[in-house]
Amino acid sequence: AQKVTQTQTSISVVEKTTVTMDCVYETRDSSYFLFWYKQTASGEIVFLIRQDSYKKENATVGHYSLNFQKPKSSIGLIITATQIEDSAVYFCAMREGEGSALGRLHFGAGTQLIVIP
Amino acid sequence: ETAVFQTPNYHVTQVGNEVSFNCKQTLGHDTMYWYKQDSKKLLKIMFSYNNKQLIVNETVPRRFSPQSSDKAHLNLRIKSVEPEDSAVYLCASSYRLGGRYTGQLYFGEGSKLTVL
Repeated sequence: AQKVTQTQTSISVVEKTTVTMDCVYETRDSSYFLFWYKQTASGEIVFLIRQDSYKKENATVGHYSLNFQKPKSSIGLIITATQIEDSAVYFCAMREGEGSALGRLHFGAGTQLIVIP
Repeated sequence: ETAVFQTPNYHVTQVGNEVSFNCKQTLGHDTMYWYKQDSKKLLKIMFSYNNKQLIVNETVPRRFSPQSSDKAHLNLRIKSVEPEDSAVYLCASSYRLGGRYTGQLYFGEGSKLTVL
């Protein structure tokens, strides 16, 4: 069963505007962790931001922030003041529960972001 | 900075051959992973490994096997490649904070396999 769903295949935005990428997830765990990663054109994948399920405050790092709506099992990524170099594929991910999972992540299908000058 | 190193970055081979990909991390992490990324960019976990435990994703064919000499190295061996094995194989490592996995993965640059 798919655990992390990103329905937006591709989004195009004009530089310096704000974009939101959607992600919904499924889990039976009472405590879980959600992440966003970025994959550049070179193939490099880097961690961007993380949300712990027990925290009510939305995480923010630089010009990345999250819109965490726990009742809807939703974790949106918001990028403000987009730049050309933000063009990449963005992956939403969820960490499996504790114990034997060794902290492995399940990823969504990714959303391609294209920032236009 | 790059701290998870994979070799080779590209490999082209024929059906039935054996292939190995090497991965080394210099971050001092205790857990490593292999992910497969297909042509549609889908990322799927294959193996999770630390020096005490190996978790194999149940969808991984038996021709795939991880090999580790120490916690800084996790290689991937494919005994007899099939056309559907063409993909990018990504190695990653992670660490624990206060005994709990942070979920923050550090990825290598990937090893692209093409099976003819």
